Parts: sequence; C-alpha cells; structure tokens
Amino acid sequence: KQEVTQIPAALSVPEGENLVLNCSFTDSAIYNLQWFRQDPGKGLTSLLLIQSSQREQTSGRLNASLDKSSGRSTLYIAASQPGDSATYLCAVSYGGSQGNLIFGKGTKLSVKP
Amino acid sequence: NAGVTQTPKFRILKIGQSMTLQCTQDMNHNYMYWYRQDPGMGLKLIYYSVGAGITDKGEVPNGYNVSRSTTEDFPLRLELAAPSQTSVYFCASSYPPVGTGARYEQYFGPGTRLTVT
Repeated sequence: KQEVTQIPAALSVPEGENLVLNCSFTDSAIYNLQWFRQDPGKGLTSLLLIQSSQREQTSGRLNASLDKSSGRSTLYIAASQPGDSATYLCAVSYGGSQGNLIFGKGTKLSVKP
Repeated sequence: NAGVTQTPKFRILKIGQSMTLQCTQDMNHNYMYWYRQDPGMGLKLIYYSVGAGITDKGEVPNGYNVSRSTTEDFPLRLELAAPSQTSVYFCASSYPPVGTGARYEQYFGPGTRLTVT
C-alpha cells in the first residue's frame, strides 16, 4: 500500500532556529512530491513541488530535497519566524490516469518568539 | 483568475439530510478531485474526474456521488448524511501530465467545513 509518513508529528522551536521536517513514502515510483502549508481552519497553500527527476527546489527560506531511491524528502526552513507556525503537509503523486495526491498526516510547527 | 472556489464555507446538517458541495475552477484544468480531511489526519481522496463526463471513485467514496458536466464544475453530493461524514472537504484541480516536463501541480480550494449531527 502506498503510504506517506511525516516525522515529527509536532515540533516547537524558538524563533531564528533552522529546522528540518521529514517525509517518507513507501513506493519510490513517484511522479512528483509537493509540500503544503495549512493554517488552522484554512485551505492548503502549495509551497514547493519537486519532480521525480529533481533533487531539490528552493523558495526563499524554504528548501525541499528529494531522495527517490530511499523514499525520503526533507523540508528545510531557515531562520524560522513565528509566522511560519502552521501544519506542513507532504504529498506524493504517482501520475498515471488518476494523478491524485497521497498525503501524510502533517507536522504541526510552532515557532515561539 | 480566482483559482479553485468552494461553497459553502461552513454547513451543519442533520442526520439523513442531503446536500451538494460546489467546486468551480477557472484554470481550464482537466483533472479535478475531492478530498476529505479528518482531524489530525492527512487528506483522503473521495472521487476524481479526468474530464467532463468522466468520474471515478477514490479511496473513500461511500456515501458520496459526483458529476462533471463541464470542465469548470465538479459538485460533490452527500446523500443521507451520517456523523461519519463530519469533516473538512477540499476540492482540487490540476493539468494532466503531458510530457516529461509537466509539473502536474495540484491547486486547492479553501475547503468546506461540514458537521453532521
């Protein structure tokens, strides 16, 4: 069964710290991987998308890496800010005729001032 | 572009009632999806559509129905609502993968928070 696991489930850090969120997936034949941010009671905001042929993507203070062979991705957040507090979701797509995303349960991040 | 829009934002239903969740996208995407998110869980696929007139079941389709008469709209119908359908519902859309350079990124609506009591 294709599953996505995110560790840790929750993380609390002081402002300014660099941090890493982890995502692992059981079937390495992915088409792409997306990282989303979800604020309480809100929808999903796409942060980064990594194609299966890519190793990493960067956007501002965010850097996502992909190691397909080991079934892992990390989201690195540099110089964290209180405004980064949210739940971060990792999702993979296997493309094909369905193309849906399979989601992890998320990591709830709290950045304290 | 408004992107993906969903209505209503919130709804409370009584057990046994029915309702339709609306989803519209203005990006001319072929693929559309309905997911549900239960507290502390990831999103699970309910139904999807690869184009007008074509729909198929996802992981958790029981208790729901969909239709896709136009490219833009993908409504989700709940018949005989049950407490187990209390959840947040998200609609999403994307292009299908075309060629090796396709990003195939999914875009999400703001969600509908449904409570069945």
